Amino acid sequence: DAGVTQSPTHLIKTRGQHVTLRCSPISGHKSVSWYQQVLGQGPQFIFQYYEKEERGRGNFPDRFSARQFPNYSSELNVNALLLGDSALYLCASSLNPADGNTIYFGEGSWLTVV
Amino acid sequence: AQTVTQSQPEMSVQEAETVTLSCTYDTSESDYYLFWYKQPPSRQMILVIRQEAYKQQNATENRFSVNFQKAAKSFSLKISDSQLGDAAMYFCAYRSAGYGNKLVFGAGTILRVKS
Repeated sequence: DAGVTQSPTHLIKTRGQHVTLRCSPISGHKSVSWYQQVLGQGPQFIFQYYEKEERGRGNFPDRFSARQFPNYSSELNVNALLLGDSALYLCASSLNPADGNTIYFGEGSWLTVV
Repeated sequence: AQTVTQSQPEMSVQEAETVTLSCTYDTSESDYYLFWYKQPPSRQMILVIRQEAYKQQNATENRFSVNFQKAAKSFSLKISDSQLGDAAMYFCAYRSAGYGNKLVFGAGTILRVKS
């Protein structure tokens, strides 16, 4: 079975632009979470989705949004990009939000804002 | 809000030796989970070991073991017989036992293994 897959792997955007990052969870996993990892720091929680509904949100501005599709894949959208949005964006999947045993991460999407 | 602190930005260990990475956390909750994740240069987070707060017995996974001191809110990782492949960034993480599996991460410790 495939693990958590994320796309694109790397991308470069200009300040003010919009970006969409995609994540496909492990087969059978219905919960997807997004994390931002700035270079030299630990990941910071952005969103959690389960059954297409937002179940948790971290301390990020409204420029960040996400959604989950019927097949449980997810998109993270960031509008009006700032230089400070440059980071590795990690997606994690689990069976459900209550499951702490099986949280698996993808390899991430590297976003550089210039 | 919960916080996780890793006070060692970088550690070094000789191959085949033992190294301990430190982690402390702050929480008012009594039920929670603690994790150590490894992040190699590929950047994928790999779960190393996990500990449930209600269990007094320290978790062990092959060469990896933890020293969980609940009263002191301390959760250290011991790596025995260190191997070159252990070189990576290690993150300590906290998760509440309630609904929602948001992880709170520390800042990480870079582990270098010398041959």
